[in-house]
Amino acid sequence: GNSVTQMEGPVTLSEEAFLTINCTYTATGYPSLFWYVQYPGEGLQLLLKATKADDKGSNKGFEATYRKETTSFHLEKGSVQVSDSAVYFCALSLSTGRRALTFGSGTRLQVQP
Amino acid sequence: DTAVSQTPKYLVTQMGNDKSIKCEQNLGHDTMYWYKQDSKKFLKIMFSYNNKELIINETVPNRFSPKSPDKAHLNLHINSLELGDSAVYFCASSPDPGLVMGNEQFFGPGTRLTVL
Repeated sequence: GNSVTQMEGPVTLSEEAFLTINCTYTATGYPSLFWYVQYPGEGLQLLLKATKADDKGSNKGFEATYRKETTSFHLEKGSVQVSDSAVYFCALSLSTGRRALTFGSGTRLQVQP
Repeated sequence: DTAVSQTPKYLVTQMGNDKSIKCEQNLGHDTMYWYKQDSKKFLKIMFSYNNKELIINETVPNRFSPKSPDKAHLNLHINSLELGDSAVYFCASSPDPGLVMGNEQFFGPGTRLTVL
């Protein structure tokens, strides 16, 4: 079956620190990979995506590269801000058949001023 | 304009009651979903409809019944509510996979259901 494993949180960083949130996956077939972000009290927003191996998704200073050889999609940001405090979800979806998202358990990021 | 909307945002009710949550999307997408987020923030698919046809039905108690009157709406009806049904329920939609690479999904704001 399909599954996504994320590093457990919470992750607590000071403003302007470097962020990495690890994500690995197992999938039958060739999935698309996503990072979603959930700010307190809100729904999920797509942060970035990659649809094939070696693609790099990027948005708002966040980046993640689809690594097929290590089945990973780690999220990085060079300099976090207090406003980045949220829960981050790694997810995958197959492009055919069952297209629902399979989510990781989420990683809470707390950025302190 | 809100792309994916849900009503109500909060729902507090007693055990044993029947309740409904409504979802509407104005994005013209063909596929809609219901996800459940538990108290530990874990998200899991419950149902998916494509053009009003049920295509995913996870192991969800049959007290939960989705209804799609048209491809822009997907409602969730829950009978005989139990304490364990307390969660945040998210509706989402996605376009035809032939139109957009990947299966990006657009989420509603969620409905927080509390069963007392």
